[in-house]
Amino acid sequence: GGIITQTPKFLIGQEGQKLTLKCQQNFNHDTMYWYRQDSGKGLRLIYYSITENDLQKGDLSEGYDASREKKSSFSLTVTSAQKNEMAVFLCASRPGLQDTQYFGPGTRLLVL
Amino acid sequence: GDSVTQKQGQVTLSEDDFLFINCTYSTTTYPTLLWYVQYPGQGPQLLLKVTTANNKGISRGFEATYDKGTTSFHLQKASVQESDSAVYFCALVPYNNAGAKLTFGGGTRLMVRP
Repeated sequence: GGIITQTPKFLIGQEGQKLTLKCQQNFNHDTMYWYRQDSGKGLRLIYYSITENDLQKGDLSEGYDASREKKSSFSLTVTSAQKNEMAVFLCASRPGLQDTQYFGPGTRLLVL
Repeated sequence: GDSVTQKQGQVTLSEDDFLFINCTYSTTTYPTLLWYVQYPGQGPQLLLKVTTANNKGISRGFEATYDKGTTSFHLQKASVQESDSAVYFCALVPYNNAGAKLTFGGGTRLMVRP
């Protein structure tokens, strides 16, 4: 088995601030994902990465940067936090060619 | 592009009631269809997977059935328990999807009263 760890669990920032969320997985999975989940809504893909140093934009990439420095870690940066993007950010990973994605517990972002 | 729709935003049931959650999809490929469940404070976890080959999946008392003719797939359980209270998402994976990009529905929140 394995686990996906997201840090921090709660992130409080000021409007306009640059904020970074981190994700680590010990599954040795190739592909990793960042999703945004707004309250009472579904998941929207921000960025994904098929392998180390690869980055692919999702539907919601504007206002975000991502970095896949090594296979086990994938970080997401909110370039200028806005009050309307308070949400839970979920990291996920996928092994090889399987369909299933495994999710972390999420980071809840609050912008003051 | 692909889309997935869950019209039921919230379902409230009593213990031992029958559960039925519907999901419709639109895609140009032959998809794999997934149901994820998300408990409070946790990330979504896979509950069931249904492909065009098998049309049906069963897990933990839940059953998912896929109807290609109506492009819908639904989740059902004969007798719900309070512990089933969670948000249920349907998702679609297009055939031959190298990046395995999932398209999610908006989710259905299930509340089960004891």
